[in-house]
Amino acid sequence: GENVEQHPSTLSVQEGDSAVIKCTYSDSASNYFPWYKQELGKRPQLIIDIRSNVGEKKDQRIAVTLNKTAKHFSLHITETQPEDSAVYFCAASFQAGTALIFGKGTTLSVSS
Amino acid sequence: DAGVIQSPRHEVTEMGQEVTLRCKPISGHNSLFWYRQTMMRGLELLIYFNNNVPIDDSGMPEDRFSAKMPNASFSTLKIQPSEPRDSAVYFCASSPGQHYGYTFGSGTRLTVV
Repeated sequence: GENVEQHPSTLSVQEGDSAVIKCTYSDSASNYFPWYKQELGKRPQLIIDIRSNVGEKKDQRIAVTLNKTAKHFSLHITETQPEDSAVYFCAASFQAGTALIFGKGTTLSVSS
Repeated sequence: DAGVIQSPRHEVTEMGQEVTLRCKPISGHNSLFWYRQTMMRGLELLIYFNNNVPIDDSGMPEDRFSAKMPNASFSTLKIQPSEPRDSAVYFCASSPGQHYGYTFGSGTRLTVV
């Protein structure tokens, strides 16, 4: 079936450093790629998304890049802060429809 | 808007009992999704509906699981009979449609003992 691979599973950085999380997907028809942040005990929340007609999108300290040829996309967080500590999930639409397949998540720890 | 509303927040039940989870999507959202989250398997898509019609239920683990969406403002996920391996957090999410992000509910933490 369709699959989204996410790496790394855990990531530890110092406050102020950058963090990069990478995902690959299997369905070449996928055309929507959101990222979610989930704090402990809470619901996943959308932080940024990108559509297949765009190669890069930025929102303050967060950016996402997409390479459709290679079928991978990445989340970049600059100037990390302790409140960025959470689990981050990438996702990709499949069958060009509304349902999303999620990666297994990356636990980001930012130490001050 | 109150967001996606799920009930109950927590459910503890004995093996063999029937469990019903409930979800109210955001008004105007025409897609509704049920996911199950565990440490081992992450976020798994169980079933989703477009305009109240089930589109893909291939993620439903087995016949013990069933889901309905009788109208645009309500959906249920039922497990009968429940088993300890069903213990997980069950999330409902809704979306305005294709290429839009989901809004998740707070989830139901199910424990089957």
